[in-house]
Amino acid sequence: DVKVTQSSRYLVKRTGEKVFLECVQDMDHENMFWYRQDPGLGLRLIYFSYDVKMKEKGDIPEGYSVSREKKERFSLILESASTNQTSMYLCASGVGLELAYEQYFGPGTRLTVT
Amino acid sequence: AQTVTQSQPEMSVQEAETVTLSCTYDTSENNYYLFWYKQPPSRQMILVIRQEAYKQQNATENRFSVNFQKAAKSFSLKISDSQLGDTAMYFCAFMKESNYQLIWGAGTKLIIKP
Repeated sequence: DVKVTQSSRYLVKRTGEKVFLECVQDMDHENMFWYRQDPGLGLRLIYFSYDVKMKEKGDIPEGYSVSREKKERFSLILESASTNQTSMYLCASGVGLELAYEQYFGPGTRLTVT
Repeated sequence: AQTVTQSQPEMSVQEAETVTLSCTYDTSENNYYLFWYKQPPSRQMILVIRQEAYKQQNATENRFSVNFQKAAKSFSLKISDSQLGDTAMYFCAFMKESNYQLIWGAGTKLIIKP
């Protein structure tokens, strides 16, 4: 079974702190994604990576950065956390046509910024 | 830009009943993929069913089936013989061919009552 793990289920940070969210997958997937999930808005793509050291902006990259130094690990960084970044963050991994583009999700990190 | 609309924020049905969740999308693309994902309470998002736009036959997975109407840009999910374990948020998602990026609907909260 594919396993995607995220470093924390719940996180509370103060405004202005630098926040690191870690995601690890064990299936050698090329693609990894960071989403933000808010009620009534569904999931919105923050960043994705299709290879080591490669990254592409999604729909809402402002205030975030990412790092992918190893294939299995994709980190989301909030450079200076703000209260409007309070949300559920979901990481996913996936491949292409051979698995019909299915994405596999981690359990999520619920981040609260106070 | 592509958009995905789920018009039912919440639905509830009795166990063993059949329920249909609606999804419409807007795109000018001819080749694309559509997905239904399920997010049970406090559990990970998982894929329920997928449909390739070039396939006319509707996808089915056990009790789950879709009604794909390409001309109408409609992609509804039917759950037959609903079970308590079907209680979850259901998200409809769209992906352009070979793009890897999903566009998500806002979700429908489905409650199965005993």
